[in-house]
Amino acid sequence: KQEVTQIPAALSVPEGENLVLNCSFTDSAIYNLQWFRQDPGKGLTSLLLIQSSQREQTSGRLNASLDKSSGRSTLYIAASQPGDSATYLCAVRSSGNTPLVFGKGTRLSVIA
Amino acid sequence: GAVVSQHPSRVICKSGTSVKIECRSLDFQATTMFWYRQFPKQSLMLMATSNEGSKATYEQGVEKDKFLINHASLTLSTLTVTSAHPEDSSFYICSAPGRRNTEAFFGQGTRLTVV
Repeated sequence: KQEVTQIPAALSVPEGENLVLNCSFTDSAIYNLQWFRQDPGKGLTSLLLIQSSQREQTSGRLNASLDKSSGRSTLYIAASQPGDSATYLCAVRSSGNTPLVFGKGTRLSVIA
Repeated sequence: GAVVSQHPSRVICKSGTSVKIECRSLDFQATTMFWYRQFPKQSLMLMATSNEGSKATYEQGVEKDKFLINHASLTLSTLTVTSAHPEDSSFYICSAPGRRNTEAFFGQGTRLTVV
């Protein structure tokens, strides 16, 4: 059974810092991996999707990497801003029509 | 991009009543919908898989008679929480898998509070 772990559980950084969020998964036979942002009491905002054949994806200040063989992904946030404060969720899909398996998330606070 | 619309976004109901949550795929046909639940400070946990034209499949520990799922059309899946109790208070969110090589699409979520 696939399990997804995110470290750290919470992170507080000063504005402007670059930071890395970590995600690991137990079964490396994944179809794709998706990073989401969730604001308190809100739904999910998709940030980046990485297919199993890809190594990384970039969107603005965000860069996600994938090392499928070792079961790891990282989300790099450059020049963090207070507006980046949210919970970041990592989720993997095992095959094309299966549900995502989520980690517990990293709660990020960026202090002005 | 594909959009999944979920309603209501927030509902407060009395203990013992039933609540229906709707999830619609707006510009694509979804033969499968996933229903997740998220308790405070926890991650999203899959409750059940809704399949158009057939019975839903439920994850272990989820009562099928309490959480009724109907997927009568290719664009609509509904989750009904029957005889709701305070412990059912949670954030419920639906998702439709994208086509091959695309992302999963999520509804806006429903915050259910049972008083």
